Amino acid sequence: GQSLEQPSEVTAVEGAIVQINCTYQTSGFYGLSWYQQHDGGAPTFLSYNALDGLEETGRFSSFLSRSDSYGYLLLQELQMKDSASYFCAGTRVNDKLIFGTGTRLQVFP
Amino acid sequence: DAGVIQSPRHEVTEMGQEVTLRCKPISGHDYLFWYRQTMMRGLELLIYFNNNVPIDDSGMPEDRFSAKMPNASFSTLKIQPSEPRDSAVYFCASSPRNSPLHFGNGTRLTVT
Repeated sequence: GQSLEQPSEVTAVEGAIVQINCTYQTSGFYGLSWYQQHDGGAPTFLSYNALDGLEETGRFSSFLSRSDSYGYLLLQELQMKDSASYFCAGTRVNDKLIFGTGTRLQVFP
Repeated sequence: DAGVIQSPRHEVTEMGQEVTLRCKPISGHDYLFWYRQTMMRGLELLIYFNNNVPIDDSGMPEDRFSAKMPNASFSTLKIQPSEPRDSAVYFCASSPRNSPLHFGNGTRLTVT
């Protein structure tokens, strides 16, 4: 089957660094994306890894290892506004995007 | 661009009634996706279109659900008859090929 697993919840304090992991058990994913969703809002795109390695976008970085079926999102210098749910999503060869189980991040002052 | 536009924002209906959700994608986007989000099941892909043609509807729960895209600027998701378990937030998203998805604000459906 197709599944992308994430921890259900992560907590951290302002200014800290947090890593949200994503593991998947399927073949055929050729890229991994990350989306952010605030309560009551729509998912918004954060980052995409087409190849293995690290992609950096400001305070956010994303990593992919296709041989390990594993990726993560790294958030640095956490701010209160980063409190949200974060989803990894795998792209299949026919452009079908499957979302992970989601991780709720709570940032405390 | 106004982004992906969904209507209505909220829908409350009684079990057995027909529900129609609407979506206007961003102009020029080749792909349109319908997702359903619940606490229990997360974000589920229901169906997606490429150039108005349905590509994969394997996520559509059952025959009560149907989706159409009569032209590049409009899509509908219909539930007939609706059931309480259909209560969820339904998102429409569009994208160019090999590009991130742009989501609409969603329709919150409550079936009583």
